[in-house]
Amino acid sequence: DAGVTQSPTHLIKTRGQQVTLRCSPISGHKSVSWYQQVLGQGPQFIFQYYEKEERGRGNFPDRFSARQFPNYSSELNVNALLLGDSALYLCASSRTSGFSYEQYFGPGTRLTVT
Amino acid sequence: LAKTTQPISMDSYEGQEVNITCSHNNIATNDYITWYQQFPSQGPRFIIQGYKTKVTNEVASLFIPADRKSSTLSLPRVSLSDTAVYYCLVGDMETGANNLFFGTGTRLTVIP
Repeated sequence: DAGVTQSPTHLIKTRGQQVTLRCSPISGHKSVSWYQQVLGQGPQFIFQYYEKEERGRGNFPDRFSARQFPNYSSELNVNALLLGDSALYLCASSRTSGFSYEQYFGPGTRLTVT
Repeated sequence: LAKTTQPISMDSYEGQEVNITCSHNNIATNDYITWYQQFPSQGPRFIIQGYKTKVTNEVASLFIPADRKSSTLSLPRVSLSDTAVYYCLVGDMETGANNLFFGTGTRLTVIP
């Protein structure tokens, strides 16, 4: 079975621009979460979605938004990019109907803001 | 939100058993303890989860004392491929992903 997939792999944007990152969960997984990982730090929780509804939100500004589609794939949008948004953005899915600590992570999208 | 404290880094020779201890003094009654492994440029990978006493799977063992204020991840006979960052997480499964706090982890380096 295919794991969690994310696109694109790498992305370079300019300050002030907007970016959309995409994630496809493992088949059968209905929950998708997004994380931001800055170099040298652990992943930081941004959003969790389940059945197209937001289930949790981390401490991120409103420039960050996300949504989940009927096929359970998800998009993370970041507006008005700042240099500090440069990071690895990770998507994770889980198989349970609710939240689970056994999450399956994708390889991430490395975003560089210049 | 229960915070965790882990050593920043550890070195070990190939073939040795490695024990990484995590302190979580403020762990709550409903909190579980979970460990993840992360290789460079990859997403974290779930290793093991437990609530109390000892849990063992094909990859590792997790030891949790009776007071649950700490836990120890044990990796038997490590190899070079075990070089990675290991994260200890503590949180309540009922309250959602807001409690999935990774911290800075322990960077394990396995030496030939």
